Amino acid sequence: GQQLNQSPQSMFIQEGEDVSMNCTSSSIFNTWLWYKQDPGEGPVLLIALYKAGELTSNGRLTAQFGITRKDSFLNISASIPSDVGIYFCAGQVSSGSARQLTFGSGTQLTVLP
Amino acid sequence: DTEVTQTPKHLVMGMTNKKSLKCEQHMGHRAMYWYKQKAKKPPELMFVYSYEKLSINESVPSRFSPECPNSSLLNLHLHALQPEDSALYLCASSLRDRGSYEQYFGPGTRLTVT
Repeated sequence: GQQLNQSPQSMFIQEGEDVSMNCTSSSIFNTWLWYKQDPGEGPVLLIALYKAGELTSNGRLTAQFGITRKDSFLNISASIPSDVGIYFCAGQVSSGSARQLTFGSGTQLTVLP
Repeated sequence: DTEVTQTPKHLVMGMTNKKSLKCEQHMGHRAMYWYKQKAKKPPELMFVYSYEKLSINESVPSRFSPECPNSSLLNLHLHALQPEDSALYLCASSLRDRGSYEQYFGPGTRLTVT
């Protein structure tokens, strides 16, 4: 089956620093989604990417859909304490399959004051 | 509005109890999902409903019984659960179940089986 490798597994950064995380797959996806999850809460959709090469921003967040369709990255600029949480990438095959999202294993982000 | 609501927020139940989890969305989405999530792991798909019909059951034990009364509501009936079923249960919805549509998650129900 499809697998996503998400890295790094965890990050400890100073407030104000930039963050980068990425996901790679052995399979092609038609859509990449990035979620953030706070403890005890459900994942919140941050950015959705639909086209290879697409670069999309949402405030301090920027994500890109890799040209090969097998990877995506998420950047967070000027981190703040509320950025703490687990970030999940998720790939989606858009047609011919109802096997929906394939999730990465998550990146645990800690922002130090 | 991209809100999916879930009740209850927390649930503690014994292994002989019967309980239900509820999920609701009013975004006009026609696909709804149940996921199970263990601590610091990604969500694992359990069931998919498409246009109020069960379209995917990911080999979930029969002690979990989903129900979709209408296009806005999704229930998960629980009976004779095991302690290892303790987890965060997430509901999600999307416009459709096939094609490139974003899934929106609810806040989850934290289930503890004693």
